[in-house]
Amino acid sequence: DAGVTQSPTHLIKTRGQQVTLRCSPKSGHDTVSWYQQALGQGPQFIFQYYEEEERQRGNFPDRFSGHQFPNYSSELNVNALLLGDSALYLCASSPPRINEQFFGPGTRLTVL
Amino acid sequence: GENVEQHPSTLSVQEGDSAVIKCTYSDSASNYFPWYKQELGKRPQLIIDIRSNVGEKKDQRIAVTLNKTAKHFSLHITETQPEDSAVYFCAALKGGSYIPTFGRGTSLIVHP
Repeated sequence: DAGVTQSPTHLIKTRGQQVTLRCSPKSGHDTVSWYQQALGQGPQFIFQYYEEEERQRGNFPDRFSGHQFPNYSSELNVNALLLGDSALYLCASSPPRINEQFFGPGTRLTVL
Repeated sequence: GENVEQHPSTLSVQEGDSAVIKCTYSDSASNYFPWYKQELGKRPQLIIDIRSNVGEKKDQRIAVTLNKTAKHFSLHITETQPEDSAVYFCAALKGGSYIPTFGRGTSLIVHP
């Protein structure tokens, strides 16, 4: 079992560009959550996907959007990138009906 | 919403000493409290968790205690080793929720 995987590992973009990050959950998990972690801070919840729909959303602007596919993998899209979007983006998956979260290695996004 | 306070923000100990990290939460409906360890540049990893139907849980050198009345829970690490050096995050979740609220993290430094 590969656990939660994310791609790419690192990404450099410029302001105004758009980015797509990808996540494959742990085998048997059906819920995917996305977090933004700025340097020296705890993870901040962006949104969660279950059954291909956004189940809950944190306090992030509409520039942040996502998708979940039938195989439970997920994408995070960020439009009109700002310098402040530079962070580690973490994906976490959960098994059915259990609220334990298992994190992926993250994607380090740098916006120049 | 839930608010989780974590103290201290930095903890420096000598190898072999014990370390204690404390968290308080605001929502009495929270009933699941995981602890994560995050080494520099790596993903948060679940190290221990506790549910509100128990007061203490131990796993080798790590233990977590929960006081529901006072709404606080603590992580205890005994016989600390240099490899315990990392940032530790506490979190709280309500029953039926899959969204943890994280504390701001404690940077634990274990000096050889």
